[in-house]
Amino acid sequence: DVKVTQSSRYLVKRTGEKVFLECVQDMDHENMFWYRQDPGLGLRLIYFSYDVKMKEKGDIPEGYSVSREKKERFSLILESASTNQTSMYLCASSLEGAPHEKLFFGSGTQLSVL
Amino acid sequence: AQKVTQAQTEISVVEKEDVTLDCVYETRDTTYYLFWYKQPPSGELVFLIRRNSFDEQNEISGRYSWNFQKSTSSFNFTITASQVVDSAVYFCALSELASNTGKLIFGQGTTLQVKP
Repeated sequence: DVKVTQSSRYLVKRTGEKVFLECVQDMDHENMFWYRQDPGLGLRLIYFSYDVKMKEKGDIPEGYSVSREKKERFSLILESASTNQTSMYLCASSLEGAPHEKLFFGSGTQLSVL
Repeated sequence: AQKVTQAQTEISVVEKEDVTLDCVYETRDTTYYLFWYKQPPSGELVFLIRRNSFDEQNEISGRYSWNFQKSTSSFNFTITASQVVDSAVYFCALSELASNTGKLIFGQGTTLQVKP
C-alpha cells in the first residue's frame, strides 16, 4: 500500500515564524500535492509538483512556497506564518500524468498560528 | 471554470437509515473523472470510487451506491443501512484534464453523523 507520511499531526507556531511542513511518500509517485482544508471550503490546492524540482501554483499559493529536491519528499513552507494560515494541511501523491489516477493522502497536519 | 458543489454541509441520521449525499459539478470538458473520498476522524482521506464521463452506469459496492447522471451534472452517493462507522466527512471531486497532472477539484464536503 502507498504510504504518505506527514511529519507532524499537530503544530503550533507564532505569527511571523517560518514554518516547514514535510511530506514523504514511499511509492515512487511523480505527482505530489499540498492542499489546505477549511470548514465550509473543502480542500483547496496550494501547490503541486509533477517532477523533482518542478512546481506549479495551485488555487491559493499566496504566502506559501514549496520545495521538491527528491522525488519522495515535498515540503510546504510558510515564509512568515500568519493567523489566517491556521488550517489543516493535507499532502497527497499520485502516479504520473493520468487524470484518472486517484490521490493517496497523508493524515494531515493541523497547524495553529498564534 | 470547473466547480464541484456539495450543498449539504451536515447530515445526521440514525443507524440503519439510508442516506444520500449530493454532488453537482460543472465542467466544459467532455472527458472528465469524478471521485468520492471519505475522511474519517483520523484525518486521512480514503478513495471510494472513480467514474469517467463516458460511463453512466450506476455502481454498487456493498452498502454503497453511486448514481451518475450527466444530464443533471450530478454524481450522488447513497449509503444503505448506515452504520456508526460511516460517520465521516465525504468529499466529491472532479479531475482537471488541462494540465494532465492529476489535480482534483474538491467540493466543500458533507459531514455525515450516524447516531446509534
